Amino acid sequence: AQSVTQLDSQVPVFEEAPVELRCNYSSSVSVYLFWYVQYPNQGLQLLLKYLSGSTLVESINGFEAEFNKSQTSFHLRKPSVHISDTAEYFCAVSDKGNTPLVFGKGTRLSVIA
Amino acid sequence: NAGVTQTPKFQVLKTGQSMTLQCAQDMNHEYMSWYRQDPGMGLRLIHYSVGAGITDQGEVPNGYNVSRSTTEDFPLRLLSAAPSQTSVYFCASSYERNTEAFFGQGTRLTVV
Repeated sequence: AQSVTQLDSQVPVFEEAPVELRCNYSSSVSVYLFWYVQYPNQGLQLLLKYLSGSTLVESINGFEAEFNKSQTSFHLRKPSVHISDTAEYFCAVSDKGNTPLVFGKGTRLSVIA
Repeated sequence: NAGVTQTPKFQVLKTGQSMTLQCAQDMNHEYMSWYRQDPGMGLRLIHYSVGAGITDQGEVPNGYNVSRSTTEDFPLRLLSAAPSQTSVYFCASSYERNTEAFFGQGTRLTVV
C-alpha cells in the first residue's frame, strides 16, 4: 500500500522568508502527486498537481513543487511567504492504476510577522 | 457554482444516536469519497464510490455505512455514534478516483 510522509508537522517561518515543506511517498510505480491547502475552518483546496510532463509545477500564488522520481519526493517551496499563506498543507499521492488518493498527515505552516 | 455541498456544518450527538451526513455534488463526477480528519492523523478514507450503486470500504470503515443511489448524492450514516467518531468529516468528488479531488466545507461532529 502507498504511504505519504510529511516530515514536518509544524513549520514556523518569518514573513518574506523562503519555505520548503517536505513530502516523500512510497510508491515505486508511476504516480500522480498533489498538494492541497486548508485554511482555518475550511475544506481542502488543490494547490498544484503533477500528472506528467515537466517535473516542476507551479501554483498561481507563487508556490512550486518538483517531482523527483529517484528520491520519491514532491517538496513544496515558496521563495517569499506572506501572512496569508498560514494554513495546513497536505501532500497526496495516487498511482496510475486508479487507486484512491492517499494523504499525508499534513504540515501546519505558520507565517510570523 | 456549488461544487460539493455538505450538511450540516456542525452537529452534536449523544452516544448511541444515529444520523446521516449529507453530501451532494453538481459536477457529474462518478467518484465520491468520505474522509475523516483528526489532529495529527491527516485525512483517512472511510468509504468511497466509483458510481451509482457501487460502494467500497476505505481505511477506516467501521461504524459507518454509505449508499449511492444517484450520481449526485453520497450520504454517510452513523448507526450508533461513539465518542471515537468525534471528528471533522469531508466529502470529496472527482472525475476518476486518482485525479484531482474537490472537497466540501466539512462537517464538525462531536459525540458526547
